[in-house]
Amino acid sequence: GQQLNQSPQSMFIQEGEDVSMNCTSSSIFNTWLWYKQEPGEGPVLLIALYKAGELTSNGRLTAQFGITRKDSFLNISASIPSDVGIYFCAGQLSGGNKLVFGAGTILRVKS
Amino acid sequence: GAVVSQHPSWVICKSGTSVKIECRSLDFQATTMFWYRQFPKQSLMLMATSNEGSKATYEQGVEKDKFLINHASLTLSTLTVTSAHPEDSSFYICSAGGLAGSYNEQFFGPGTRLTVL
Repeated sequence: GQQLNQSPQSMFIQEGEDVSMNCTSSSIFNTWLWYKQEPGEGPVLLIALYKAGELTSNGRLTAQFGITRKDSFLNISASIPSDVGIYFCAGQLSGGNKLVFGAGTILRVKS
Repeated sequence: GAVVSQHPSWVICKSGTSVKIECRSLDFQATTMFWYRQFPKQSLMLMATSNEGSKATYEQGVEKDKFLINHASLTLSTLTVTSAHPEDSSFYICSAGGLAGSYNEQFFGPGTRLTVL
C-alpha cells in the first residue's frame, strides 16, 4: 500500500528552539495535512495544504506542500512546552478521500 | 470549527462480548466517516470508510463481519466490535469529512479506548 516516510521519529529539544519535520512519499498526493495528537486523544488538524508549492502558516507553525507533490514539511518556531505531542503528516491521493498517515514524530520540549 | 464526538471514551469488556462505539458529527453533516485503530506508539491505521446510507468499504485485512459499521444518518456512524478478544484491545478513532468547502479535510473524534479482558 501507499506509504509516507516521516522523519525524524522523535525529537527532544530545548524550549525556544525551532523544530522541523518532514514527510516524503514515492506517490504523488493531492493534499497534505498535518495533525497533532496528545495522549489519549484524537488527532487535531493543524494545517491543510492543497496546492503544490503552497506555504501556509498557523501561528508559530508553517507547512509547505512540495513542488513535486511527493513531500511536505512542518516547522514550529520558538517551541514551548505545550508543543509536546505526536505530529503526523497525512496525504490524500488524487480522486480519493482516504488519508495515508506517516508514522509520526514524537516531540518533547525541555523547559 | 468542526466537532466530532465519540462515545464511550473508554470501555472494558469481557472476551466474547460485543461493543458498540458511536461517532457523531456535532455541527456539520458528514457524508463520509472513517474508522481507524491505533496501537500504542503507532500511527493510525484505516479500518473502513463509511458512507451515509450505503455499505462500508473495508481495508484489506479488516474483517467486515467482526467490525460492523453502520452509518444511518449524516451525523452518526457506529462501529460494533463483535465477539471481542484481547487482541482487539486498541484505541479506536473515527473521523468525519464532507464539510462543505473543506471536503478534503477530516476531523477526528477524541477516540475510544477498548480493553478486552
